[in-house]
Amino acid sequence: GDSVTQMEGPVTLSEEAFLTINCTYTATGYPSLFWYVQYPGEGLQLLLKATKADDKGSNKGFEATYRKETTSFHLEKGSVQVSDSAVYFCALSDRGTGRRALTFGSGTRLQVQP
Amino acid sequence: DGGITQSPKYLFRKEGQNVTLSCEQNLNHDAMYWYRQDPGQGLRLIYYSQIVNDFQKGDIAEGYSVSREKKESFPLTVTSAQKNPTAFYLCASSAGAASYEQYFGPGTRLTVT
Repeated sequence: GDSVTQMEGPVTLSEEAFLTINCTYTATGYPSLFWYVQYPGEGLQLLLKATKADDKGSNKGFEATYRKETTSFHLEKGSVQVSDSAVYFCALSDRGTGRRALTFGSGTRLQVQP
Repeated sequence: DGGITQSPKYLFRKEGQNVTLSCEQNLNHDAMYWYRQDPGQGLRLIYYSQIVNDFQKGDIAEGYSVSREKKESFPLTVTSAQKNPTAFYLCASSAGAASYEQYFGPGTRLTVT
């Protein structure tokens, strides 16, 4: 079945540091890939998405490129802020299976220190 | 403003009681979903519905039930058969067949003692 693997956290960075959160996936069909962000006590917010190979999703300074050859969708940001502290989830939706529900990674907690 | 509402935000129940969590959306989305989140873990799918009066079990449906009588509403009942009901419950919705991105509500934290 489908699965998503994320790097374990927490990831602790100083403000203005470069961020990478690794995500790799296994899918039987043709997945769309997503990054969601969750702030404490809240629901998930869609951060960015990519629907086919080599697509780059970007939003609020974050970006991720759909790499089919390495089955990866790593999240990057050039300069993090304290306000970026949250839990980040990589997810996929596999169009080939017809199941539209998302398969999530376990989440990576990011802590940004001033 | 369009969005998804879940109520209440915090819910406390005694063991052995059934409890129903509310989820309402005004996005005119066809599909709705219920996920469960446990500390330090990702989300797991409980039930989903792609159209009114139809729903399917997800990966962890045992001990839960749902209904979808209206497009806007997808309530989840946590029954006494659910062995570990304490968790954070998230409802989501998505538009029609061409869209796979989901939008989430703020969640309900259920504590059963």
